Amino acid sequence: DVKVTQSSRYLVKRTGEKVFLECVQDMDHENMFWYRQDPGLGLRLIYFSYDVKMKEKGDIPEGYSVSREKKERFSLILESASTNQTSMYLCASSLVGGDGYEQYFGPGTRLTVT
Amino acid sequence: AQRVTQPEKLLSVFKGAPVELKCNYSYSGSPELFWYVQYSRQRLQLLLRHISRESIKGFTADLNKGETSFHLKKPFAQEEDSAMYYCALSGFGNEKLTFGTGTRLTIIP
Repeated sequence: DVKVTQSSRYLVKRTGEKVFLECVQDMDHENMFWYRQDPGLGLRLIYFSYDVKMKEKGDIPEGYSVSREKKERFSLILESASTNQTSMYLCASSLVGGDGYEQYFGPGTRLTVT
Repeated sequence: AQRVTQPEKLLSVFKGAPVELKCNYSYSGSPELFWYVQYSRQRLQLLLRHISRESIKGFTADLNKGETSFHLKKPFAQEEDSAMYYCALSGFGNEKLTFGTGTRLTIIP
């Protein structure tokens, strides 16, 4: 059973703070993803990593960076948090070339920036 | 560019009635289509994918390339079907998914 865990369920930060969101998966998946989920906008891809130290920008990378030093761990970094980054953040993982490319999701981190 | 459109943000259906959640896509190549579901207080999970052609929890979805649609259907709605549903697309050989904006389905007892 694939397990994707995220470091926090709820997080409250102040404008300008540096924020780290951590994601860990235990199924040896090559691919990892960070999305934000907003009502009426669905899921939007922020960044994608297909291997250790490899990353690719998604649709909305501005204001974010990522780090993947180990295969099982993918971190999302908000360099200087802003109120428009208040959102639900979802991490996901998948196998390379897996059957239908199913993505497995974490429970989400609800971030509030005040 | 690939795009997924779910025209209904909210859909309410009586228990026992048929359900259809609409999904249209835009993609120039050969698409892979999926439906993901998020039940209350649970994580987002795959419901079904078009390549497997299977029925999951009574739901089916047929890829219609002529109409570029992948509507999700169930003949008789159940209360436990209440959830948020997302249609998603990836290009063949592409690891990334493009999601629609989602439809919140509510089943009225």
